[in-house]
Order: sequence, then C-alpha cells, then structure tokens
Amino acid sequence: DQQVKQNSPSLSVQEGRISILNCDYTNSMFDYFLWYKKYPAEGPTFLISISSIKDKNEDGRFTVFLNKSAKHLSLHIVPSQPGDSAVYFCAASVYGGSQGNLIFGKGTKLSVKP
Amino acid sequence: DTAVSQTPKYLVTQMGNDKSIKCEQNLGHDTMYWYKQDSKKFLKIMFSYNNKELIINETVPNRFSPKSPDKAHLNLHINSLELGDSAVYFCASSQDLAAYNEQFFGPGTRLTVL
Repeated sequence: DQQVKQNSPSLSVQEGRISILNCDYTNSMFDYFLWYKKYPAEGPTFLISISSIKDKNEDGRFTVFLNKSAKHLSLHIVPSQPGDSAVYFCAASVYGGSQGNLIFGKGTKLSVKP
Repeated sequence: DTAVSQTPKYLVTQMGNDKSIKCEQNLGHDTMYWYKQDSKKFLKIMFSYNNKELIINETVPNRFSPKSPDKAHLNLHINSLELGDSAVYFCASSQDLAAYNEQFFGPGTRLTVL
C-alpha cells in the first residue's frame, strides 16, 4: 500500500527553466513533508520540508507547495541547473510523532539539460 | 569528514550465508536507522534505534538483526541470506526521533545475493 506516491518516474527540463516535481499522499495523518535529493552512489540528502500549517516554504531556488485538501505537494526548482540532475524523493511523516518514521515515495529522476 | 559512513560499499555473497553491514555516525545523534531500497526503488525503513533501544521493526524478517554497541554505531546482521535480500541498504541518523529532525544518510551498501 503506497501511502506516498510519485507518479512520474522521470522528468527532463532545459537549464534555466522551471522543474516541477509532484507528490501525492493518501494518509490524512501525515502533517509533515520532506524532499530529499539523491545522486548516484550516494545517500539521500535533505533538501526542504513543509509542515501542514503552511502551504508554501521557500529556500533559495527551491519552493515546496502543499495542498492539504488534495493531499498533494510539489517541489519547484527555479531556475533549474544541470547540477540539480538527481533523483528526488518525497517523504511524509507525522510531525508530533515520536518514532522518526518517514514514508518515502519511489522518487522522480530529474534530468536538467544544458 | 564523513558524517554517516557504511562498510562495505558493495557486498556479493551466496544464498544461505550470514553477513554484516556496519554503520557509524560522528554527528552525536541519538537516533540511527536502517532503510532498504529494493529493485522497485522504494526506500523503506527497517529499524530505528534511539539511545540503543529498538523503536521500530517494520515487518522485517527476524533474519535481520540490528546491533548497536554504542550510540555512534548501528550494525545490521543478516542470517541465512536469500535472493530477495538483494537491495541497497542505507544507514541514517538524526538528532532524535522527532519527525521534524533531518535524517542524514550514509552512502549505501549494495548487497547482491547469488
């Protein structure tokens, strides 16, 4: 049972354009969401997060939007750079939870072409 | 100086063997985790340890046993290896179990069972 879904396995974008990565979740208990970035042969690294009390969080070129009613979040990268090429994982959790349990999606492979 | 390290990076072994993967973190974190990324690319939590106590055990066969000699180390022992155990195993750590804490991942260990 996939509680966190990333339905696009891959995305190709031109350098300088916007990259939009999407994520849907099914468990209404989730109230904290994270994006991790993973390069080949490396572990995932934290990118940005958002709590359900917000609908937007921004950090430099990266912005995460949350639509709670639709159980949908998206990561926007503007402008996209070739170094952004990686696999992006969406993850969800319960903010007040005490088990550190992150539920990950399958990931979306982003390719930014020069 | 690597924050979360794992050894070995690659492990090829025969069915039925027993093997171990080691993990160390130098971040002073209280909590460590083991994740499994299978062939379908899902990243699923297996165990977490908080102050040397097992917190989560997500439907993992008892052939897998985490062992933590101290707060900085969480090793994964696997007995009677099966073909289906082939995957990439990631170790991670965080300040504590709170969901809002960033998890830092190791580079992964690719296990291949022949």
